Amino acid sequence: SQQGEEDPQALSIQEGENATMNCSYKTSINNLQWYRQNSGRGLVHLILIRSNEREKHSGRLRVTLDTSKKSSSLLITASRAADTASYFCATDAMNTGFQKLVFGTGTRLLVSP
Amino acid sequence: KAGVTQTPRYLIKTRGQQVTLSCSPISGHRSVSWYQQTPGQGLQFLFEYFSETQRNKGNFPGRFSGRQFSNSRSEMNVSTLELGDSALYLCASSLAGPYEKLFFGSGTQLSVL
Repeated sequence: SQQGEEDPQALSIQEGENATMNCSYKTSINNLQWYRQNSGRGLVHLILIRSNEREKHSGRLRVTLDTSKKSSSLLITASRAADTASYFCATDAMNTGFQKLVFGTGTRLLVSP
Repeated sequence: KAGVTQTPRYLIKTRGQQVTLSCSPISGHRSVSWYQQTPGQGLQFLFEYFSETQRNKGNFPGRFSGRQFSNSRSEMNVSTLELGDSALYLCASSLAGPYEKLFFGSGTQLSVL
């Protein structure tokens, strides 16, 4: 079963615009991570935010975490065509004893030149 | 430092056959996790090995098995292949465990005919 659900499922924007993706999860967590996957390839780690953190930045990425609402958002600013990929959130779910990462369903981002 | 290496990249098998996939983690990483990715089910956790011991297992039938060697290299085996086993199989390594930052290989695309 999926711990995380991303929203929207697909997002299409123009270069230079900002892209926001949301992730909701079900059980308590220690950390939440975001990964990017280019078509048919492996996932690349983007950012990890711990349950006691509210916001984290990495380059053009900004991640927020609201543990009271069990939700997170990933903001990509000034998007580029190279940002076209699928984005997944992943959590170490309490119902797994915090012993594995459970991935969400993903958001497909298309950035047009 | 070399990344996670998975071989082979593509594999075509027929129903009833068995298959072995290989994963070489990043040097120094002792945790290796395996995931199955399909369009319908998304990323599903298969199992995780640490220092040659399986620590966690997902909800897959016994046809799916794995092992880890003393050099941390890991293999997964699927016996009696079914059409539904067609998927991208991803291996990921990490320093401490499957709940921290994961480094993924490019995956093995398995097609069962």
